[in-house]
Amino acid sequence: QVRLVESGGGVVQPGRSLRLSCTASGFPFSTYTMHWVRQAPGKGPEWVSFISSDGRDTYSADSVRARFTMSRDNSRQKVHLQMNSLKSDDTAVYFCARGHGGYYFDLWGQGLLVTVSS
Amino acid sequence: IVLAQSPATLSLSPGDRATLSCRASQNIKNQLAWYQQRLGQAPRLLIYDASSRATGIPARFSGSGSGTDFTLTISSLEPEDFALYYCQQRDNWLFGHGTKLEIK
Repeated sequence: QVRLVESGGGVVQPGRSLRLSCTASGFPFSTYTMHWVRQAPGKGPEWVSFISSDGRDTYSADSVRARFTMSRDNSRQKVHLQMNSLKSDDTAVYFCARGHGGYYFDLWGQGLLVTVSS
Repeated sequence: IVLAQSPATLSLSPGDRATLSCRASQNIKNQLAWYQQRLGQAPRLLIYDASSRATGIPARFSGSGSGTDFTLTISSLEPEDFALYYCQQRDNWLFGHGTKLEIK
């Protein structure tokens, strides 16, 4: 079955860290770019981070650059998002998404709620 | 580049034709996608490169436009089509703020 399953969300205090993971199945994972996209309550989606198929290139949104780091393990068909120095504005549902030609998102996970609150 | 979607809310009945708009602040050629998001679900890719339907998307969904003005058309609304719709441009992977398609 072609799918993405995220894990690692939860409640965290401001300034702390959290690591999200996403496990892929049912498609040749190592040939696809991957992304993290988040959606704050009542808002539209916001792209967060990109990683190339071989993991050599990563890009992040200005809002998270220097705090969030995306990585991947093609042997385990996983991507990760290491989130440091979390702020209340980072509260959102975080989706793992597969890149369609690197430009769009054609497969999404079910989403993980991350709540940053004291 | 900023994407402006209109209207914010569209109230129609099953069987009606829906026309949703997305306007870019500068020329983005055909580099635009449309997504549907049902309540509590992840977005789903409907249209990419302005007019190409994604795999498994019904023929009642069509996209058109280029440059700065784009349209998503749903030819005859089914009950499951009432949802949120977002446009997204390729550069910086930016999304619009969405159109809510609700039952009249």
